Formats: sequence, structure tokens, C-alpha cells
Amino acid sequence: AQSVTQLGSHVSVSEGALVLLRCNYSSSVPPYLFWYVQYPNQGLQLLLKYTSAATLVKGINGFEAEFKKSETSFHLTKPSAHMSDAAEYFCAVIVNTGTASKLTFGTGTRLQVTL
Amino acid sequence: EPEVTQTPSHQVTQMGQEVILRCVPISNHLYFYWYRQILGQKVEFLVSFYNNEISEKSEIFDDQFSVERPDGSNFTLKIRSTKLEDSAMYFCASKVGLALNEQFFGPGTRLTVL
Repeated sequence: AQSVTQLGSHVSVSEGALVLLRCNYSSSVPPYLFWYVQYPNQGLQLLLKYTSAATLVKGINGFEAEFKKSETSFHLTKPSAHMSDAAEYFCAVIVNTGTASKLTFGTGTRLQVTL
Repeated sequence: EPEVTQTPSHQVTQMGQEVILRCVPISNHLYFYWYRQILGQKVEFLVSFYNNEISEKSEIFDDQFSVERPDGSNFTLKIRSTKLEDSAMYFCASKVGLALNEQFFGPGTRLTVL
């Protein structure tokens, strides 16, 4: 069964520093992977998705993620953190069990950005 | 920009009471979902709904839960007899079509069972 594991429940970076949020997947078939962001008191917003096209995926707000099959990873990065990036980030994988395609989420990583 | 809406934002209820959580998906979307997130835990799939019937449900979605699309715009989650462990944030999501389309999430309803 497909699953994702997020390493680090809390990550703190300084404003302007590199953001790296880790996600590893487990899948017996080529996975479809997603990163979602949740700002306080809001729903989940899609940052980017990997659907077996380019391995380097660019998303919104300057985020990108690289699919590495050899490492079973899909880490999220941003070259320079901004205060507005403080949020909870979720890695997710689609489990194709018919047309509905439910999402299976990781446990989330809370990103703190300090001055 | 179209968005998924959910009401209420916060619901407090007594154990054993029925609650109905409401969602208005994006109007041209065909697939609907409920997920929940217990405080401090991961977001978990509850149920998917398509063509006026449940497509799939998780082990969590037992006989106490039901979903309905009563009028072509609303999508509801009913919990018949709430338990303390039902306290969670409940997210509704919808997507326009098959497989890899983005699921758009609502802001959630925080359910507190006392």
C-alpha cells in the first residue's frame, strides 16, 4: 500500500534561509505525490504535484520538489524563506482505488520562520 | 475564484448527539470527499462520493457516519451519535474529474464532543 513519511514534525528556519521539508514515500507502483500547505484556520491548499512527468516540479509561492526514485523521496524546498511561509505542510500520495483516488497524508511538518 | 465552503466553522456538541457538517463543493465538481484530522495527528480519509453514491469508505466510516448530497449543491456528513473520539477537524474536498485532478479543500469544521 502507498504511504508517505514526513521527517521532522517541526522545522525552524531564519527568514531568507533555505527551506527543506522531507518526505519519503512507499509504493509498489509509480506514485503520484503532492504537497499541501495549511495556513492557520484555513483549509489545505495544493502547492505542487508530481504525476510522472518532470521529476523537478515547481509549485506556487516559489516552492519546488524533486522526485527521486532511487531515494524514494519527494522533498520540498524553497531557496529563501519568507515570514509568510510559516504554516503546516503535508506530503500526500494518491492511492488509486478506483476513480475516486483518495489522498493518503503524512503527519505534517510545521514550518516556523524567524527573523 | 471558486472555493469549497464549510459550515459551521466550529461545532460543539454533547456525546450521543447527532451532528451534521455541511459543505458546498465547487459547482462543476463531480467527486466529493470527507477527511478528518484529530488534533496532532495526520489527515485521514473518511469517504468519497460520486454519482450520488459512496465510492469508497475507510474503516473509520462506520455505521454512525453517513453522507448525502441532498440538493445538488450541498454535501453533508452526519454523525448519528457522537463519541468523544469524534472530536476532530473535518475537511470537505471536491474535484472536477478523474484520478489526478487536484482535490480542493474547504477550511474545515472543528467538531468538539463534550
